[in-house]
Parts: sequence; C-alpha cells; structure tokens
Amino acid sequence: DAGITQSPRYKITETGRQVTLMCHQTWSHSYMFWYRQDLGHGLRLIYYSAAADITDKGEVPDGYVVSRSKTENFPLTLESATRSQTSVYFCASRAPGDTQYFGPGTRLTVL
Amino acid sequence: DQQVKQNSPSLSVQEGRISILNCDYTNSMFDYFLWYKKYPAEGPTFLISISSIKDKNEDGRFTVFLNKSAKHLSLHIVPSQPGDSAVYFCAATLDSNYQLIWGAGTKLIIKP
Repeated sequence: DAGITQSPRYKITETGRQVTLMCHQTWSHSYMFWYRQDLGHGLRLIYYSAAADITDKGEVPDGYVVSRSKTENFPLTLESATRSQTSVYFCASRAPGDTQYFGPGTRLTVL
Repeated sequence: DQQVKQNSPSLSVQEGRISILNCDYTNSMFDYFLWYKKYPAEGPTFLISISSIKDKNEDGRFTVFLNKSAKHLSLHIVPSQPGDSAVYFCAATLDSNYQLIWGAGTKLIIKP
C-alpha cells in the first residue's frame, strides 16, 4: 500500500520495558518526523530526520531513541518506558517544500 | 510557553452555517501557517496554508485569514457540512523546512 504506515496501532506495556514503534513510508520522502499527542498539548515533535543517517532532536526527545538506516523506515524506541510516555504517537513524512503526511498513529499505554 | 494557541477546545455549528476557528501565535518570526484536520483514530491531514506575505488564502469552502499585527489567524468554513466534524489544528513554522509548532486543537461539531 502506498503511503505511510505505523505499527503496532495499539500497544500496552509495563514501566521499564523497551518498546519500539515502527514507521514506514513508500514515497521516498527525505524528511520524517515523530510526534506525540497529549490532551491539551496538540502535537509535540520528538525527533526528526532530514535523510537516512541524519536525525535531530525535537521539542521533547528525552527517553526516546531513533534511527534511520533506510530512507523509508524511521523507528522510535522507548528504551525504558515510563507512565508519562503514555500517549498517541504519530509518524509523518514529507518531501522538501511540501506538507507533512501523517500515519494513522500508535496508541501506547504504559502501565 | 505555548507559541501557538487555540483557545477554544470545542465549537458547535449548525449545518450550512459558517464555522470560524481561531488561532493566536506569539512568535512574530513565524512565516508560514497551516491548518490540519483530524478524524478519530486517524492521523492529521493537511487542509490549507498561508504564507506570512499574504492575508488571505482560499480553497473551495475553506478560507484562511492572517492578521499579522494581531498575530492571529482564522479558518472559515462555508457552508459547514457534517463531514467537517473533526479536530482542527493550527500550526506555524519559521520557514518551510523547519519543524511545525502546533496548537492544541479545536473540536468542531456540525449539528444537522
């Protein structure tokens, strides 16, 4: 399927566990982004990537790790999940000068 | 410190009437503004944008107005339709390649 996909769509985990959220896009967009959405905060940027092997921190990067070995994939890892990381996570991609296209989101619950 | 604010968490409008969603910002260096629409269990989708060199941009039923002196923008939807019921996010950026700064969103409910 063309577009941007995220997996899993729903995840429940426990405090202290490592969790990886996957993001895959088929457009070969150079830019990719990870956001979290919390009530009252809109979307906040966690990390972004301008190209393969180039990543940079956004507004709220603490507790998260990203990698981008291939243009089409941009996984987000929570190394030791905390309850404050319970949120909805959105991945997005875009070509230079274009708008951002979002995946359907992953709802993560940390118990 | 929220640089982009949407002060109305929700708005209810009669079908066929005009919906006006508002957004205020504090950083006068923002030069590009966007509106995204989001349905439940889906990611946001781009709706309309405006450059800071313009004061109005129109696309079908959707018009965005920018008042730079007031640091205020608004999205007008005319006429409102049931499918417009969604959460609308305002976002701003310092340049077209920079990260977006998002408002908290306004939930629009269109009543039949």
